[in-house]
Amino acid sequence: QSALTQPASVSGSPGQSITISCTGTSSDVGAYKYVSWYQQHPGKAPKLMIYDVSNRPSGVSNRFSGSKSGNTASLTISGLQAEDEADYYCSSYTSSSTLVFGGGTKLTVL
Amino acid sequence: QVTLRESGPALVKPTQILTLTCTFSGFSLSTSGMCVSWIRQPPGKALEWLARIDWDDDKYYSTSLKTRLTISKDTSKNQVVLTMTNMDPVDTATYYCARIQLASPGAMDVWGKGTTVTVSS
Repeated sequence: QSALTQPASVSGSPGQSITISCTGTSSDVGAYKYVSWYQQHPGKAPKLMIYDVSNRPSGVSNRFSGSKSGNTASLTISGLQAEDEADYYCSSYTSSSTLVFGGGTKLTVL
Repeated sequence: QVTLRESGPALVKPTQILTLTCTFSGFSLSTSGMCVSWIRQPPGKALEWLARIDWDDDKYYSTSLKTRLTISKDTSKNQVVLTMTNMDPVDTATYYCARIQLASPGAMDVWGKGTTVTVSS
């Protein structure tokens, strides 16, 4: 199972919006609604931010939103804040009943 | 409150077997739909999913590592154990366990803090 493809880095200024893409295949992202996004600050465990493509867990800011089209999922963060600077990982359920992660995207808030 | 905590050796030698334990609270692995996964992250690298065990004892493994991994559970102790054979320096990583609720099989909603394992002679 190959890793999902994410851009290595994205950046934006406070208040702006950014979008991180996550490209898979018809056996994972394209096949299921089970795409998740995780935020990871340095030295910390990942935190679930989006699940089932576009759902937010309780307590996650509504500045975070998710979507999917075909084999590509996207995470959008609006109204960027300094605290959003972190690594972001997408993951997808697969046709083998396993999970696969993306390579991760480093978000820099300028 | 749901919590998970990983434990195991900080240092293992090449070719040895690694045994990690995930001790959790706030949910039961005898409850329908509950699952626990293991994930690892080499220093400075991406997350890698390793394995999952379900409430009904179904087990799933990473395709690339399945020959080396075994996952098991002790429901009475609220523990999940992962063993990895033939350890190599490239297996040096932080190992995490996380809960999955099968209604959303792609979502690891609560994670442990991780345990760091170094493979070196």
